[in-house]
Amino acid sequence: AQSVTQLGSHVSVSEGALVLLRCNYSSSVPPYLFWYVQYPNQGLQLLLKYTTGATLVKGINGFEAEFKKSETSFHLTKPSAHMSDAAEYFCAVFTGTASKLTFGTGTRLQVTL
Amino acid sequence: DTAVSQTPKYLVTQMGNDKSIKCEQNLGHDTMYWYKQDSKKFLKIMFSYNNKELIINETVPNRFSPKSPDKAHLNLHINSLELGDSAVYFCASSQAGQANTEAFFGQGTRLTVV
Repeated sequence: AQSVTQLGSHVSVSEGALVLLRCNYSSSVPPYLFWYVQYPNQGLQLLLKYTTGATLVKGINGFEAEFKKSETSFHLTKPSAHMSDAAEYFCAVFTGTASKLTFGTGTRLQVTL
Repeated sequence: DTAVSQTPKYLVTQMGNDKSIKCEQNLGHDTMYWYKQDSKKFLKIMFSYNNKELIINETVPNRFSPKSPDKAHLNLHINSLELGDSAVYFCASSQAGQANTEAFFGQGTRLTVV
């Protein structure tokens, strides 16, 4: 079965610092991978996705992620954090055989001055 | 235009009551989902419907009964509410057969059972 593991339930960075949120996946078939963001009291919004093709994918708000098959990873990065990036971030894998998104446990990003 | 809309946004009710949450999507998608997010923010799928037919039921208690009158609507009815049902429930939709199409989520319904 497909699954994702997010390392670190809480990450704190200073404004302007690099953001790195880790996600590792487990999949018996080529995965479709997603990062979603959830702002307080909001629904989930897609940041970026990887399906096929270029392994470095760029998303909204300056975020990007790189699919590394050899490491089974899909880490999310942003060169310079902004206060407005404070939110909960979820990595997810699409399970084609069951037609569902399976989410990681989420990482709360805190941005400090 | 709201792509996936849920009502109500907040729901406070007593144990033992029956309540419903409605969901509508205007994206023309044929697949809709209900997810439950617990107090630790963990998201777990409950149900998935494709063209009004149930395709996923993730061992949810039978007190939870989804109903899809058409492919644009997926409502969730909960009987005999329990304290443990308190959570945020998210509706979502996507287009089946297009795995690279993301799921679009509603704003959530925060259910509090007292």
